[in-house]
Amino acid sequence: GEDVEQSLFLSVREGDSSVINCTYTDSSSTYLYWYKQEPGAGLQLLTYIFSNMDMKQDQRLTVLLNKKDKHLSLRIADTQTGDSAIYFCAALTYTGGFKTIFGAGTRLFVKA
Amino acid sequence: DGGITQSPKYLFRKEGQNVTLSCEQNLNHDAMYWYRQDPGQGLRLIYYSQIVNDFQKGDIAEGYSVSREKKESFPLTVTSAQKNPTAFYLCASGLASSNEQFFGPGTRLTVL
Repeated sequence: GEDVEQSLFLSVREGDSSVINCTYTDSSSTYLYWYKQEPGAGLQLLTYIFSNMDMKQDQRLTVLLNKKDKHLSLRIADTQTGDSAIYFCAALTYTGGFKTIFGAGTRLFVKA
Repeated sequence: DGGITQSPKYLFRKEGQNVTLSCEQNLNHDAMYWYRQDPGQGLRLIYYSQIVNDFQKGDIAEGYSVSREKKESFPLTVTSAQKNPTAFYLCASGLASSNEQFFGPGTRLTVL
């Protein structure tokens, strides 16, 4: 079935850029999302990209989409300690109905 | 304030007991969802509802039940048939015409 995969951990120094990668299997996915989860809290939508785009920038966040390789990345510029969280990649697919498939989440550690 | 709320934040249950988790939203969203989150895994869909008085099973519905008598409310009952209920439960809502999901803060259920 449809799957979304991402690495489980990433550690960066404060002020550096973070790049979180994600791959998905359903080439017909129309929307791809990045969510942020802080400890003990729900998920917060950070940004999303439509499948006919290859890049989207929103302040410190840059999303790159390589549709041919089914690869999505989230770049956080000037990473701060407040960016420490779990980041989930998700893809909207259609299998008899729309469904959002989530990756396992990448835990970002930011070292001061 | 508009938003989606879940209660309680922490819940303890003895084995063999049913327990109901609350989810309420005042965003006028048609669709509501229940997910289960386990460490190192993505969110897994338990049940979802696109409209009042209708709901559909997700990927892991066994041992759970839901109701959708009002647009604002989508309670989840974890029954004694659920073999491994200890987890973090997340409720989300969204417009049927949109793909974005808004998440509640979650309920952490622990079975003693």
